[in-house]
Amino acid sequence: EAQVTQNPRYLITVTGKKLTVTCSQNMNHEYMSWYRQDPGLGLRQIYYSMNVEVTDKGDVPEGYKVSRKEKRNFPLILESPSPNQTSLYFCASRPGTAYNEQFFGPGTRLTVL
Amino acid sequence: AQKVTQAQTEISVVEKEDVTLDCVYETRDTTYYLFWYKQPPSGELVFLIRRNSFDEQNEISGRYSWNFQKSTSSFNFTITASQVVDSAVYFCALVPQRYQKVTFGTGTKLQVIP
Repeated sequence: EAQVTQNPRYLITVTGKKLTVTCSQNMNHEYMSWYRQDPGLGLRQIYYSMNVEVTDKGDVPEGYKVSRKEKRNFPLILESPSPNQTSLYFCASRPGTAYNEQFFGPGTRLTVL
Repeated sequence: AQKVTQAQTEISVVEKEDVTLDCVYETRDTTYYLFWYKQPPSGELVFLIRRNSFDEQNEISGRYSWNFQKSTSSFNFTITASQVVDSAVYFCALVPQRYQKVTFGTGTKLQVIP
């Protein structure tokens, strides 16, 4: 089954404790992206990647890191999480051209205390 | 800079009413793509439709229709004879071809009351 998976689905952590949210897709998509969803703010892009070893900042990259060492994986790293990073996070992928729709993962609910 | 505005934060309609969700965008790019996604209460994000900047033909798919007007930078979505299953948050998104950064609107929450 074609899908985007994210782990964990739910995470409660404390300020400053490094964490990684994994994202994996099995559709051989070139493009992958991370978003955060907050009430009243919609979906905001954090980082995106056009292909392996190619990443670029979205609108809200501060406090986040990403890497794209393999085509299928695009982990989101929070090196020192803070309460303002409490949010719902979505990973997405699509084929390389911008015309294509994105396929979204199920979301990760992160709470930083 | 690019921007997508969904001015309607929440809309409530009674079942079988028609409803239009507005989307207004800003971009300096001449080639770009517009999308609508649906997020039902279960939380997943589902693709509904795409349009490219050179195709202003309106589209109808069952009870759904989309009106793209480049002159007013709008890409509005109409649901005819709404149903309870249409209750969801709907997002409009813009992707310029040139650099592929995605901008979503803030979403419109639609509640269809039986």
